[in-house]
Amino acid sequence: DVKVTQSSRYLVKRTGEKVFLECVQDMDHENMFWYRQDPGLGLRLIYFSYDVKMKEKGDIPEGYSVSREKKERFSLILESASTNQTSMYLCASSSGTETTGELFFGEGSRLTVL
Amino acid sequence: GQNIDQPTEMTATEGAIVQINCTYQTSGFNGLFWYQQHAGEAPTFLSYNVLDGLEEKGRFSSFLSRSKGYSYLLLKELQMKDSASYLCAVMDSNYQLIWGAGTKLIIKP
Repeated sequence: DVKVTQSSRYLVKRTGEKVFLECVQDMDHENMFWYRQDPGLGLRLIYFSYDVKMKEKGDIPEGYSVSREKKERFSLILESASTNQTSMYLCASSSGTETTGELFFGEGSRLTVL
Repeated sequence: GQNIDQPTEMTATEGAIVQINCTYQTSGFNGLFWYQQHAGEAPTFLSYNVLDGLEEKGRFSSFLSRSKGYSYLLLKELQMKDSASYLCAVMDSNYQLIWGAGTKLIIKP
């Protein structure tokens, strides 16, 4: 069964803390994405990557950074967490060769910043 | 700007049929997706339309009219497990996905 695994389902952090969200996929997918999901809003793209060591800014990259040192792993970093980063974070992957671009999502990481 | 509109919430009865609409205005079009998301779970892929017409997959069908910027997801023979949010997303000319806010579907016995 194909899988995208996010390291933490629930996290509580304090303002100013550094936060790492890890995502691993076992499908040998080229493309990986980080979204945040907030009530009443569509998924918003934070960063994405089409290859190892490659990263591209999405629609809302401010306050975030990413790392992709290995094909299967894509990490999202909040350098200094703020309360407005309280959200559900979803990692996704897709194959670079599939024309439909179907995304496979992880279960999500719900982050609360106090 | 780019925009995807879908109803916030819908209610339907077990065994009935429900249609969830999605209208879009995007910079270019490279396909429309429907995803299902149960509460507290990951979104899962339901359908992809890139040409006009109806795509049927079991109890679920998805329709697209590119000239009208319109799609719908049709769910037949509703079951309680169909209670979920349904997300519409359009791939624009840059192959980026633009997402609607989702439609929460409540199924009543």
